Amino acid sequence: DGGITQSPKYLFRKEGQNVTLSCEQNLNHDAMYWYRQDPGQGLRLIYYSQIVNDFQKGDIAEGYSVSREKKESFPLTVTSAQKNPTAFYLCASSIPSEGNQPQHFGDGTRLSIL
Amino acid sequence: GQSLEQPSEVTAVEGAIVQINCTYQTSGFYGLSWYQQHDGGAPTFLSYNALDGLEETGRFSSFLSRSDSYGYLLLQELQMKDSASYFCAVRYYNQGGKLIFGQGTELSVKP
Repeated sequence: DGGITQSPKYLFRKEGQNVTLSCEQNLNHDAMYWYRQDPGQGLRLIYYSQIVNDFQKGDIAEGYSVSREKKESFPLTVTSAQKNPTAFYLCASSIPSEGNQPQHFGDGTRLSIL
Repeated sequence: GQSLEQPSEVTAVEGAIVQINCTYQTSGFYGLSWYQQHDGGAPTFLSYNALDGLEETGRFSSFLSRSDSYGYLLLQELQMKDSASYFCAVRYYNQGGKLIFGQGTELSVKP
């Protein structure tokens, strides 16, 4: 079955540590996205990529970095510069479009500070 | 601005009908989408309105009125499993295809 796989499901970060969240999709989608969700809040866009080897900052990119070396993979690194990283992180993919192309989401990674 | 406004919480009983509104200030988007998210889970796509009017998909319907700058999601014959958060979202023109989400409405269905 096609879908999006995020790992790990839970992740703990120590002070000053960088951590990387994995996102893999086998839907053959060109576009991929990373969102952050805080309790009781909506989804805020961190980074997105419309095509391999290209990505753009979203609304809250500071303290995060991404890469898009393969179509299937869009890992997110939460750097030590992100002072409040505790949140639920969601990865999504879609066919690049400006109309109705629904985003398909992974099951998320819950990141906490040790 | 480009924010979408939704009520934070709605409560209803099983079998009832509930309407979740989504209002916006900035027009110039391709269409209005709705997503459902159960607690701690992945958001899933529910519906999309490109044009004004009502779109029906089973127990769920969605409506858009660009002239009145709002849309809504209508859930009929509510079931306990409908308890979830519901988000409206739009793709604005010249925004590279990214979705802008509302803050979400938490729906609680009571017996």
